[in-house]
This record gives sequence, structure tokens and C-alpha cells, in this order.
Amino acid sequence: DTGVSQDPRHKITKRGQNVTFRCDPISEHNRLYWYRQTLGQGPEFLTYFQNEAQLEKSRLLSDRFSAERPKGSFSTLEIQRTEQGDSAMYLCASSLGQKTNEKLFFGSGTQLSVL
Amino acid sequence: QKEVEQNSGPLSVPEGAIASLNCTYSDRGSQSFFWYRQYSGKSPELIMSIYSNGDKEDGRFTAQLNKASQYVSLLIRDSQPSDSATYLCAVNMRKGGYQKVTFGTGTKLQVIP
Repeated sequence: DTGVSQDPRHKITKRGQNVTFRCDPISEHNRLYWYRQTLGQGPEFLTYFQNEAQLEKSRLLSDRFSAERPKGSFSTLEIQRTEQGDSAMYLCASSLGQKTNEKLFFGSGTQLSVL
Repeated sequence: QKEVEQNSGPLSVPEGAIASLNCTYSDRGSQSFFWYRQYSGKSPELIMSIYSNGDKEDGRFTAQLNKASQYVSLLIRDSQPSDSATYLCAVNMRKGGYQKVTFGTGTKLQVIP
């Protein structure tokens, strides 16, 4: 499999619960992005990694969101104390991270529903 | 001002016509520009990239870039019903010393048979 893989595809949780999503990027890609997308909107930037270093985290994100990329391979995105407003599609993308060529390859996404 | 702006549409064109999609961006220093296509319920997929002023053609798709006007466009010739999707403009922007890819809200295209 040479594509970006995300797990799970769907997650239904109750408000207040914690959830964790996983992303496996394309193996030779050193940059990994997390985006969130709601219906009718474009992907909203959450955070991204260059290898294992988290370079930026959106100011829109509360402290309930955290992401890791140990050893610069797969990444996890955790949302603590979920709220109904967290319901969205969470997209992971990876790229080679070349300076002026940032072609992103997306996974299928994780659809989160918070009840 | 949004960092990347697009008209949300929907843009309706008859089959066989040219569809024109537009995008403006705020960061004058941006160097890389992309168009992604997203079918309903699917993830975005890259269809075009452009880095220099002017036109870049790939099959029925032409991307146009004007850095002075901070404007990017996508033309789809001989539009087909299968082109019906949301088209996302994306810009590789400098933020805090790093570059990251920022998306517009997308333009929904409907090709009418």
C-alpha cells in the first residue's frame, strides 16, 4: 500500500470522551499534516510535522487537541473531552516537504460524530 | 481578509462548456499553488500545481497564475458531468518562518448534461 492510511474511518463518541486517530503517511514523505473539514468548508489547518518535529499548531485549536509523530513515522491526533462542535472529518495528508513543492496526498479521513 | 478566497458557488455549466474557477490569496510571498478536486464524501485529490506566472496546461485543465494580482484560476475545457465536484484552491504560505498549505473554502461545480 503506497497511500496515506487513516484509522478509524468512522468514530462515534459521547460528549466528554477522549478519542484518538491514527495516520500512516506515505513512507518516504517527511511532512505530515492534520486538517479538519466540516460540510461546505475547505480543509482547516490543525497542525503539521516535519519528521518528528511539530512545526506549527493552529491558534484555533484548544488545548484539548494534541498530536504526536514519534520517530517521524505515523502520527496520532487526540481530542480530549470531546464536544459536539468537534464533529467533523479529520484529514491527514503527507508530502515530501520540498521547499517550493508541497503536493499533499490525503488519506480517506476519519469522520467523527460527537453525540 | 481570508488567506485564500474562493466563491463557494455552485457554478453551473452545460456539458462541453468551459468552467472557470477563481481564487485569490493574501500572502504576496507565496510561491506554490495547487488545485484539488473533492468529490462528495471523498478526500481531496491533487489535479494541478503551478509555480510560475502564466498558464500551465494538463489535458482539459489549465491553471493560470498572476502573482502581481495574487490570483490563481483553473479552467476546465469540454466540461463533463464527471467533473462535478468541489474544487479547492490551495496555497503554500509562509507562516511563522515555516511554509504550510492553506486551503480556500472551495467552489462547487455542477456540469449539467
